[in-house]
Amino acid sequence: AQTVTQSQPEMSVQEAETVTLSCTYDTSESNYYLFWYKQPPSRQMILVIRQEAYKQQNATENRFSVNFQKAAKSFSLKISDSQLGDTAMYFCAFLAMEYGNKLVFGAGTILRVKS
Amino acid sequence: DAMVIQNPRYQVTQFGKPVTLSCSQTLNHNVMYWYQQKSSQAPKLLFHYYDKDFNNEADTPDNFQSRRPNTSFCFLDIRSPGLGDTAMYLCATSRERVENTQYFGPGTRLTVL
Repeated sequence: AQTVTQSQPEMSVQEAETVTLSCTYDTSESNYYLFWYKQPPSRQMILVIRQEAYKQQNATENRFSVNFQKAAKSFSLKISDSQLGDTAMYFCAFLAMEYGNKLVFGAGTILRVKS
Repeated sequence: DAMVIQNPRYQVTQFGKPVTLSCSQTLNHNVMYWYQQKSSQAPKLLFHYYDKDFNNEADTPDNFQSRRPNTSFCFLDIRSPGLGDTAMYLCATSRERVENTQYFGPGTRLTVL
């Protein structure tokens, strides 16, 4: 079983609309960290958002927000008011002591924003 | 601006000809990582340094080595590149291993001919 699962290999959204990317993970720990990274075509991987598992409040960064469901081990990313510049590969990643405190990545979701 | 810098951005080498990729950081982070990323795949961790302590991943080929002469710089050496080593190589840093956020450089795209 994969540690981090992104079930949507590709998604499309119209400009200005909202899209949600899904991510589930597997762990036996109670404290860990979750991340969404964005990698535009041929460009740098950048951090979009980060969530600490001990925080109940969902993280938000401008148009990006997460829906963190700890019991369900789900960590979805919502992008509001999608822009053409949001076109990228999005990786969900997980960090926990049981995995040696190394980032474990999902397979990624390619998001295409259409005008 | 504080950042992670990688040089060169593009590198072409011949099969079997050693190559060195460079990473520097101005974040003063303790940990530096090297990842290999093949097309449309997630990054794969090769190794990392925690300060001067080198940590190799079990499945990293012996062909790949690394040096960290000081806090700011880290190098990836590929002793005898094969065609299968064609990939993007990403350097990342984090302040600590625990409770860390990793910050990535722009990558070096390596092509082995």
